[in-house]
Amino acid sequence: GDSVTQMEGPVTLSEEAFLTINCTYTATGYPSLFWYVQYPGEGLQLLLKATKADDKGSNKGFEATYRKETTSFHLEKGSVQVSDSAVYFCALSDLNFGNEKLTFGTGTRLTIIP
Amino acid sequence: DTAVSQTPKYLVTQMGNDKSIKCEQNLGHDTMYWYKQDSKKFLKIMFSYNNKELIINETVPNRFSPKSPDKAHLNLHINSLELGDSAVYFCASSLQGLGGGYTFGSGTRLTVV
Repeated sequence: GDSVTQMEGPVTLSEEAFLTINCTYTATGYPSLFWYVQYPGEGLQLLLKATKADDKGSNKGFEATYRKETTSFHLEKGSVQVSDSAVYFCALSDLNFGNEKLTFGTGTRLTIIP
Repeated sequence: DTAVSQTPKYLVTQMGNDKSIKCEQNLGHDTMYWYKQDSKKFLKIMFSYNNKELIINETVPNRFSPKSPDKAHLNLHINSLELGDSAVYFCASSLQGLGGGYTFGSGTRLTVV
């Protein structure tokens, strides 16, 4: 079945540091890939997405590139801020069987210290 | 206007009780979902409805019963609540087949005491 493996947390960085959160996936079809963010006490918000190989999703300074050859979708940001502190989820959506289902990774808690 | 709204936001109840969580979306989406997030933040799908028809039913105790009166609403009823049911429950919606991801509600934190 489909699965998503992402970097174990927690991750603690200083403000303005470079961020990478690794994500790899296993899917039987041709999935779309997503990063969601969950701020404390809130629901999940779509951060960015990519629907086919070599697509780059970007939003709020975050980027991720759909790499089919390495089955990866790593999240990066060049200079993090305290307000980026949250839990980040990598996810895939496989449409191959007609029923769209988002499969999530385990989440990575990111804390940015001033 | 809230796109996906869940009520209540917090629910504290005793073991053995029956409770319901309601979800409504005003996005015109045709598919709605219930996810459970445990204390370690792990998210697992429970159910999915497309145009009021159940299409995904993961391994969930039959004490959990979803009901979709129309495609804009998906409610979750839980009978005989147990301590292990304590979690945050998220409702979400999407347009089937577009691969555009889901829009989530803000969650219902259920605590069973």
